[in-house]
Amino acid sequence: AQSVTQLDSHVSVSEGTPVLLRCNYSSSYSPSLFWYVQHPNKGLQLLLKYTSAATLVKGINGFEAEFKKSETSFHLTKPSAHMSDAAEYFCVVSRTNAGKSTFGDGTTLTVKP
Amino acid sequence: GAVVSQHPSRVICKSGTSVKIECRSLDFQATTMFWYRQFPKKSLMLMATSNEGSKATYEQGVEKDKFLINHASLTLSTLTVTSAHPEDSSFYICSARDWGQDDYNSPLHFGNGTRLTVT
Repeated sequence: AQSVTQLDSHVSVSEGTPVLLRCNYSSSYSPSLFWYVQHPNKGLQLLLKYTSAATLVKGINGFEAEFKKSETSFHLTKPSAHMSDAAEYFCVVSRTNAGKSTFGDGTTLTVKP
Repeated sequence: GAVVSQHPSRVICKSGTSVKIECRSLDFQATTMFWYRQFPKKSLMLMATSNEGSKATYEQGVEKDKFLINHASLTLSTLTVTSAHPEDSSFYICSARDWGQDDYNSPLHFGNGTRLTVT
């Protein structure tokens, strides 16, 4: 069984300040973990993925995430928020299980000017 | 990169009619595609797994006769909402994995979604 918990439903930051979106996972096996971003009325776009290689993963648009097995966490960070980062973010865990993925409930990121 | 095209992006239909939504993988083959429903301010709810050349696998609570899924080729899956009712109004999204990388390490590629409004 696998599950994902995004610890914050809403995060608000000022433009130019760091972003931290938190994700904890549970998995019976070594998971693959993903972060996706969704802009209004759009599909999901892959930001980055962890697949048992380097624990610090760099993604697009300046985002990165660190896999911490001891804490079962995969938090998403960005050093400096941009207005265009305002969107919904989903943490996703996958395991070979008919190809299914488990989605977190999402975190809404608001960026204030 | 891998692209999934979903059409239409928006559709309005009258109650009792049927609506078909298409999901195409443009530059890769997908033996498996996934259909989701997303309510406002909510996460994605997996409705069914579409398997090329065989029957779709529906999640618990999803009516297979209501949401007909056809996956006739390696690049096309369709979702038909039959006898639509206002409560079927929602945002529907499809996704697929690249057939050449069809394991849990490969990311999902998402369509841009379809906003269905049933009047």
